[in-house]
Amino acid sequence: DAGVIQSPRHEVTEMGQEVTLRCKPISGHDYLFWYRQTMMRGLELLIYFNNNVPIDDSGMPEDRFSAKMPNASFSTLKIQPSEPRDSAVYFCASSLIRGGNQETQYFGPGTRLLVL
Amino acid sequence: QQQVKQSPQSLIVQKGGISIINCAYENTAFDYFPWYQQFPGKGPALLIAIRPDVSEKKEGRFTISFNKSAKQFSLHIMDSQPGDSATYFCAASIWSNYQLIWGAGTKLIIKP
Repeated sequence: DAGVIQSPRHEVTEMGQEVTLRCKPISGHDYLFWYRQTMMRGLELLIYFNNNVPIDDSGMPEDRFSAKMPNASFSTLKIQPSEPRDSAVYFCASSLIRGGNQETQYFGPGTRLLVL
Repeated sequence: QQQVKQSPQSLIVQKGGISIINCAYENTAFDYFPWYQQFPGKGPALLIAIRPDVSEKKEGRFTISFNKSAKQFSLHIMDSQPGDSATYFCAASIWSNYQLIWGAGTKLIIKP
């Protein structure tokens, strides 16, 4: 399996621009998580989906952030408009929950976002 | 009560030594405690995990020790190697809630 795929790997944009991050989870996984990682705040869960349905978006910092999962093999995280404080590494992770128990989250390589 | 407190923030260990990273939690409903390892430029990857029905789990050089009464768990890396140099995260979750609560991370450096 190719693992979790994220694109782009690096993104440099100017303040005010729209940014779209993409994620392809591992085939067959039913949970998808979006995280943000910074030196100051560590790993933060932004939102997670179960079977394409958003379950908890309480970690989404503001209305400028939105996430969608139109099908089981694709998800996007959009920032509009972007601000310099959004600069971070954004990770997508997927998981297959079996028997109702927490299972391994498989992380993608991340998208390093720099907003100038 | 949802926090997981991890220490130390950074750790330097000589090659061959034992690396120990500690985590503490408050929520007694937590019942899954994984450790993730992250190399620079990569996403975190599961290293080892434990559930509260056992006090210790060992996989190769890596051991989780779990103290339910103290609400603490720790990662021990025996015979630490330079290749173990990475950032380590502890986490915790509640059964049927698949959201992991993450520690702040420990940057481990193994000196040759």
